[in-house]
Parts: sequence; structure tokens; C-alpha cells
Amino acid sequence: AQTVTQSQPEMSVQEAETVTLSCTYDTSESDYYLFWYKQPPSRQMILVIRQEAYKQQNATENRFSVNFQKAAKSFSLKISDSQLGDAAMYFCAYRSDSGGSNYKLTFGKGTLLTVNP
Amino acid sequence: DTEVTQTPKHLVMGMTNKKSLKCEQHMGHRAMYWYKQKAKKPPELMFVYSYEKLSINESVPSRFSPECPNSSLLNLHLHALQPEDSALYLCASNVRENSPLHFGNGTRLTVT
Repeated sequence: AQTVTQSQPEMSVQEAETVTLSCTYDTSESDYYLFWYKQPPSRQMILVIRQEAYKQQNATENRFSVNFQKAAKSFSLKISDSQLGDAAMYFCAYRSDSGGSNYKLTFGKGTLLTVNP
Repeated sequence: DTEVTQTPKHLVMGMTNKKSLKCEQHMGHRAMYWYKQKAKKPPELMFVYSYEKLSINESVPSRFSPECPNSSLLNLHLHALQPEDSALYLCASNVRENSPLHFGNGTRLTVT
């Protein structure tokens, strides 16, 4: 079974600074997707960024980028120029690409990010 | 603004009540999901509907009964719930089961 580990229950960052959230995962599969979801107090889970395992290039979405290390099974999220609106719970998630019930998402326990003005 | 709409936003019900949660999307997505999320925990998958048929039931107690009347609508019928069922219930959808998920804002359920 796949597992996702987020070792930082809480993180804080000063506004305009950069912060990195850690995520490691365990799988025996070669084809999969990795995601970072953000859940602000409004409760909606918002997809921040996703990475296909077969792609070597790290995904980037504006101020959000990942450091995907497939061999090390590591998938960290870097937030640059942090803004107050980035404050939220961040979940790392894994999904197999092998089909059937394996399409379900496996979430990490989350990292609560605080942004200080 | 969310493209997956959940109603109601909040619900308080007694253990003998019957209530329903509603989820609606008009993005043409063919897979819809119910998740349960306790405070400060990740979401836990409950049910998956694919093309209006139940494809995954994660051994959820029968007091939770999903219904998918059409491709845009997913309901969760609640009956004889327990206080430990109090949680945020999230609905999600995607184009197909291997596409990114779009979540609604959830229904905060309290069982008294």
C-alpha cells in the first residue's frame, strides 16, 4: 500500500519570504501522480500543483514549484514570495496511474502554514 | 468560486433524524466522490460514482446512503447517525477517475 508522509505538522513564514514544505511517499509503482492541495479556512480543497512521475522536469505554477526526487521518493513544495492568502493547511497526495480502485488519492496528514505579516 | 456546489453549508441533526447532503456540478464530469474529513485530518474517501454507478464503497456504514440521480448530482442520505459522524463532508468530481479532482466547499455536519 502507498503511504504519504508530511513530517512538518506546522510551518510559519514571513510575508514575501520563501518556504518549503516536505513530503515523502512510499510506493512500488512506477506510474503515478503527486499533488499538493491547499485547504484554507474556507474549507475548499484547492489543487495547487501536480507532477507526473514520468516527467523529470519539476512542475511550476506561478509562485509554487516542486522539487521532485523520484529515486528518493520526495516531493517538496516551495512557495516563493509568500502572501497572507497562502495561509492554509497543505496536503500532499499520491495517486496511482494503474487504474481501477487505485485511482483513489492517498493523502498525507497535512502541514498547517502560517504567514506572518 | 467553486464549480462544485454543496448544500447545506452547515447541518445540525439529532441521532434519530433523516437528512440529505447535496452536491452538484455542471462541468460535465463523469466521476463524483464523497469524502469525510475530521478536524485537522486529511479527507477520507467514502464513495466513488463513475458514470452514475457506484464504483467504490470504502466499507462505509449503511447509515450513509449515496445516490446519484444523474451525471450532475450526487446526494448523501443520512439516517441514525452517531456523534462521531460529526465532520466536514466534501464532495469532489473529475472528468474521469484519473483526472485532477475539483472539490466543493463541504458541509459541516454536527450530530447531537
